Amino acid sequence: KQEVTQIPAALSVPEGENLVLNCSFTDSAIYNLQWFRQDPGKGLTSLLLIQSSQREQTSGRLNASLDKSSGRSTLYIAASQPGDSATYLCAVSLVETSGSRLTFGEGTQLTVNP
Amino acid sequence: NAGVMQNPRHLVRRRGQEARLRCSPMKGHSHVYWYRQLPEEGLKFMVYLQKENIIDESGMPKERFSAEFPKEGPSILRIQQVVRGDSAAYFCASSLHSITGELFFGEGSRLTVL
Repeated sequence: KQEVTQIPAALSVPEGENLVLNCSFTDSAIYNLQWFRQDPGKGLTSLLLIQSSQREQTSGRLNASLDKSSGRSTLYIAASQPGDSATYLCAVSLVETSGSRLTFGEGTQLTVNP
Repeated sequence: NAGVMQNPRHLVRRRGQEARLRCSPMKGHSHVYWYRQLPEEGLKFMVYLQKENIIDESGMPKERFSAEFPKEGPSILRIQQVVRGDSAAYFCASSLHSITGELFFGEGSRLTVL
């Protein structure tokens, strides 16, 4: 059974700091990995999608890497801003499951202090 | 350029009543997924549907819960005889492709059972 773990569970940093969020998964037979952002009481916003054949994706101040063989992904946020405060979720799509069904981690709750 | 639309955003029901949650996928998307987020827990997969077909309902409780995605109209998640433990945020997501598709989520429907 696929398990997705995110470390740390919560993180508080001062504005301007570069930071790394970690995600690990137990089954390396994945189609892709997605990073999402969830604001309190809101839905999920897709940040980055990495296909299993890719090593990384970048969007603005965000960079996500994928090491499928070791079952790890990192989300790097450069020059963090208070507006980055949210819960960040990592999710994987497994080869053995149907469609693009995702298995989610518990999330990292990020607070960026002004 | 409407995203995934869910309604109602908030729903209050008394124990024993029925709850109907609706989801219109992004334009052109024929794959719909329902997820549930219980308070202080991560997102859990419930059901995956394509037009007029249930592909995978392995995450949906066997009793009281049902889902459909008719040829015309939105996908419906129906919960009969609701209990307090059904209180949660229910998220719908859609994708363009079945296997490697990026999932796009709606804002969620928050069900409160009194």
